[in-house]
Amino acid sequence: SQTIHQWPATLVQPVGSPLSLECTVEGTSNPNLYWYRQAAGRGLQLLFYSVGIGQISSEVPQNLSASRPQDRQFILSSKKLLLSDSGFYLCAWSKGLTYQADTQYFGPGTRLTVL
Amino acid sequence: TQLLEQSPQFLSIQEGENLTVYCNSSSVFSSLQWYRQEPGEGPVLLVTVVTGGEVKKLKRLTFQFGDARKDSSLHITAAQPGDTGLYLCAGGLGRGGADGLTFGKGTHLIIQP
Repeated sequence: SQTIHQWPATLVQPVGSPLSLECTVEGTSNPNLYWYRQAAGRGLQLLFYSVGIGQISSEVPQNLSASRPQDRQFILSSKKLLLSDSGFYLCAWSKGLTYQADTQYFGPGTRLTVL
Repeated sequence: TQLLEQSPQFLSIQEGENLTVYCNSSSVFSSLQWYRQEPGEGPVLLVTVVTGGEVKKLKRLTFQFGDARKDSSLHITAAQPGDTGLYLCAGGLGRGGADGLTFGKGTHLIIQP
């Protein structure tokens, strides 16, 4: 069976510090990978998605970047955090075929607080 | 931009009652997902519906996709405290993940013993 992991679970960082959140998937190959941010009262917002190693698409221009160095590893980064980067960050995966890609499975999330 | 409106936003009922949550859009989706999320955790997939008019049942939960694939409903029979959580609907466009999923803001459901 497939599992998805995220770490850290919680993170408190000062403004201007760097960020690295990691997501890994087990039990599948060539998944689509996604980063979402969930803010209170605003639903989930897609930040980045990837259909393969080194292939990253950004949905919202912002202070964040993403990388996919391995097939089942997805990293969310920032060089300098802003207060507005605080939120609950969720990684998700789906199968790669077009008709299957809408069914997405989420990780446990990372709660980021920027002070 | 596709939007999904969920109603009600908040619902608090007694154990044993029935309830229905709605998810509406002016856009057509290729699929509709329902998730349940508990505080501090990621959303857990409950069901995916892909055919207009499709009905799926998961124990006491019944999910329906509208005929025009623009709306969906979740009906819970004889609600239990374990049903408490945030229920999210999400629409997919079937573009191989290129657009991710469009999420509603969710329905906060509390089932009181």
